Amino acid sequence: GQQVMQIPQYQHVQEGEDFTTYCNSSTTLSNIQWYKQRPGGHPVFLIQLVKSGEVKKQKRLTFQFGEAKKNSSLHITATQTTDVGTYFCAGGGSQGNLIFGKGTKLSVKP
Amino acid sequence: GAVVSQHPSWVICKSGTSVKIECRSLDFQATTMFWYRQFPKQSLMLMATSNEGSKATYEQGVEKDKFLINHASLTLSTLTVTSAHPEDSSFYICSATPTSGSFKQYFGPGTRLTVT
Repeated sequence: GQQVMQIPQYQHVQEGEDFTTYCNSSTTLSNIQWYKQRPGGHPVFLIQLVKSGEVKKQKRLTFQFGEAKKNSSLHITATQTTDVGTYFCAGGGSQGNLIFGKGTKLSVKP
Repeated sequence: GAVVSQHPSWVICKSGTSVKIECRSLDFQATTMFWYRQFPKQSLMLMATSNEGSKATYEQGVEKDKFLINHASLTLSTLTVTSAHPEDSSFYICSATPTSGSFKQYFGPGTRLTVT
């Protein structure tokens, strides 16, 4: 079945450093969504990318969707302690469902 | 806007009993609701897709007779864990997609189930 691989599993950075997480799908995705889950919380929607090669920015966060619509990345510039959490990518499946990656847990050392 | 609630937020039950979890979209109508389970430090695993007025579609490996899903209205879906066992202990999260056609899913706060 459809799978979404996400790396790295963990990332520890010093505050102010950049951070990137990558997702790769075995099949073409209708869209890719990114969620952030704080410890003890539920996933919160960040953004959705639909078009091939699309790039979107939210302040220090940059999201990219690959040309083949099989991969995506989330880049955070100059991380802050408030960025701590687990970032999940989720690929849009053929039935409107989401296939989640395993997530990248980001910790930021002040 | 787009708030999804879940009830209860946590529940402890004895092995062999059944537990019902409710998922409600409070300020929008949801044709489709999804049920996930999440083990500690792991990703969300889709259990089933629930469409209003029809039978749920279960993912491979999920027992439909054990995890009963009902989606009787555009704002309510329920998940009943029947004859619960300790291995069913997990965090169950629902999400809802608005009928407007947006791909976006809005997640409930989750229900922590502990089976003793």
